[in-house]
Formats: sequence, structure tokens, C-alpha cells
Amino acid sequence: GESVGLHLPTLSVQEGDNSIINCAYSNSASDYFIWYKQESGKGPQFIIDIRSNMDKRQGQRVTVLLNKTVKHLSLQIAATQPGDSAVYFCAENTGTASKLTFGTGTRLQVTL
Amino acid sequence: DADVTQTPRNRITKTGKRIMLECSQTKGHDRMYWYRQDPGLGLRLIYYSFDVKDINKGEISDGYSVSRQAQAKFSLSLESAIPNQTALYFCATSAVAGEGSDEQFFGPGTRLTVL
Repeated sequence: GESVGLHLPTLSVQEGDNSIINCAYSNSASDYFIWYKQESGKGPQFIIDIRSNMDKRQGQRVTVLLNKTVKHLSLQIAATQPGDSAVYFCAENTGTASKLTFGTGTRLQVTL
Repeated sequence: DADVTQTPRNRITKTGKRIMLECSQTKGHDRMYWYRQDPGLGLRLIYYSFDVKDINKGEISDGYSVSRQAQAKFSLSLESAIPNQTALYFCATSAVAGEGSDEQFFGPGTRLTVL
């Protein structure tokens, strides 16, 4: 498959454990944040989003936490599965509606 | 069927050639985007269009041009390709802001190699 990022930070997690992927964003005026998952050879896929008027949002097996004080975003994946192996990107909306700025990504490796 | 399609999926070309990458969407979205992805650099915005008559430069527009032929079609051109334009290129679409999520929907990507 195609290599999305050869030198990405990598998080290795055992199957069944919880994963936490972190992201520091740059613009204190950003008001919307998204987490994307990118599997090898595919385009990014939406996981979950959160607006700046919230601190936490939950989806199916995923939770996003937003700490505006320190400009930090995290993605928690419960009971990590092999299919969760991918590169994960955070993105922030930096002013112009729908114009996103992406982080560099974190590779999640799930070991059996 | 895919909502956002890109053609070609892979292309190898030579320095100086003109290349066009095409994107089509069936989501009915007004907003379309072109990004490039390089190892370790995430996705960077090249151009974006909020409707058929609107074209805007992104952070890395030099060496690229775009055409929004219709609501559903947004093409990216490299007038004279150079090796440092070797990358993965993604097209994306989104609905108008304020209509729910600002999520962008991505195509499968085009891998371009410039020799």
C-alpha cells in the first residue's frame, strides 16, 4: 500500500486496550475541530468532530476531548481493534468557515 | 458508488509536462478543495472553491491552477510539472458552513510522480 507518512510519530497499542492520540493546535481562534482516519491507499475518513463550545464529545468507541486553555485535542479509542490501525489526523478550522488546517498525523499500530 | 471520485488514481510524468487531475462529486456540495500530502507534512491546501464562480488560493498554490467547471467538478492543473510536485493529491468537498457539520469528504487520492 501507499505510505502516508514515513516519519510519523507512532503509537503502538495492544488489541483490546484503549488508545489516546494527542494533537496540539495552533490558533486560539479556531472554533471547530475534526479527527480523520486515513488507511493505507485511501483518503481521510471522518471520525468525530467538536466545536469550541464543548469540552467533550462521544461517538461509537471514540471520544474527543478539547482543552482550549492549552490548545490541546485528544482522540480516545476504546477497545482498540486491528481495523483501527491507520494514520490519524486532527484538523482545525482557522477562521474561514470550512477551511481546515491539518496536523501532521500519528500512526496507530494495533498489535495482537 | 463513491461520492467523491478522482482521476487518474496514479500518474507518472516527466518534468515540464502539463498535467490535469480531475475530481467529481455526487454529494451536491458547493464547496470543493484540493490538497497535497507529503510524508511527515500532513495535508496542505492548494486551492478551494466555495461555488462555481469562486476560486481561492490555499497555502501552497504556486505552480498550480484550478478550474471549477460545474458544481460537481473541480480540476487541478500543473502547467509545467516539476519533481517536487511528486505527492499524493486529494480532492474534498463540504456543505455550506452552518448546515450541520463542517466535515470535508475526501476522494481516494491521486499519486503523482514527476520524474
